[in-house]
Amino acid sequence: AQSVTQPDIHITVSEGASLELRCNYSYGATPYLFWYVQSPGQGLQLLLKYFSGDTLVQGIKGFEAEFKRSQSSFNLRKPSVHWSDAAEYFCAVGARSNYQLIWGAGTKLIIKP
Amino acid sequence: TAGITQAPTSQILAAGRSMTLRCTQDMRHNAMYWYRQDLGLGLRLIHYSNTAGTTGKGEVPDGYSVSRANTDDFPLTLASAVPSQTSVYFCASSAGVFSYNEQFFGPGTRLTVL
Repeated sequence: AQSVTQPDIHITVSEGASLELRCNYSYGATPYLFWYVQSPGQGLQLLLKYFSGDTLVQGIKGFEAEFKRSQSSFNLRKPSVHWSDAAEYFCAVGARSNYQLIWGAGTKLIIKP
Repeated sequence: TAGITQAPTSQILAAGRSMTLRCTQDMRHNAMYWYRQDLGLGLRLIHYSNTAGTTGKGEVPDGYSVSRANTDDFPLTLASAVPSQTSVYFCASSAGVFSYNEQFFGPGTRLTVL
């Protein structure tokens, strides 16, 4: 079955510290991978996406993600978080032949001052 | 650019009543989607439309209906609301119909069914 797992419901990091949010997927076809961010009270916004090529992709707001096929993972990273990064982050998987994205349950990022 | 607008922003609805959540996009996108967001469950697709005049069922379509009379509008109707439909509803759109296209989201409608 196709699925996306974000194992961490909440993550708390100190401002200025590094961040890694985990995403694992199970998908039969070649995956197209996405990270979206939802700021409090807002809709979702695309952070970055991976289709093919370089497995390290850069996104907006200083985020990057690395696709590791052998581990079925697409983890999101940021070297130094800012208080404005407090939000919920969603990993999603799609495919060329499918209409629907498969969404993870989300990880809420809390920033300690 | 407005992108996607949703109305109302929030609503309290008595069980058994009907309601239509409105969604309008100004990007001339072909595909549109309705999701519900519940704590711990992430986003679940209710219905989608690949182009004007066509709709499809998502993961959780029961109790909801949609129509797509034109490119811009994609209303979601609850014919007889039940408390389990309390949720935050997001409308989204994408230029292409396949899942590798970036989706653009509206600000959401918070619905409480009592």
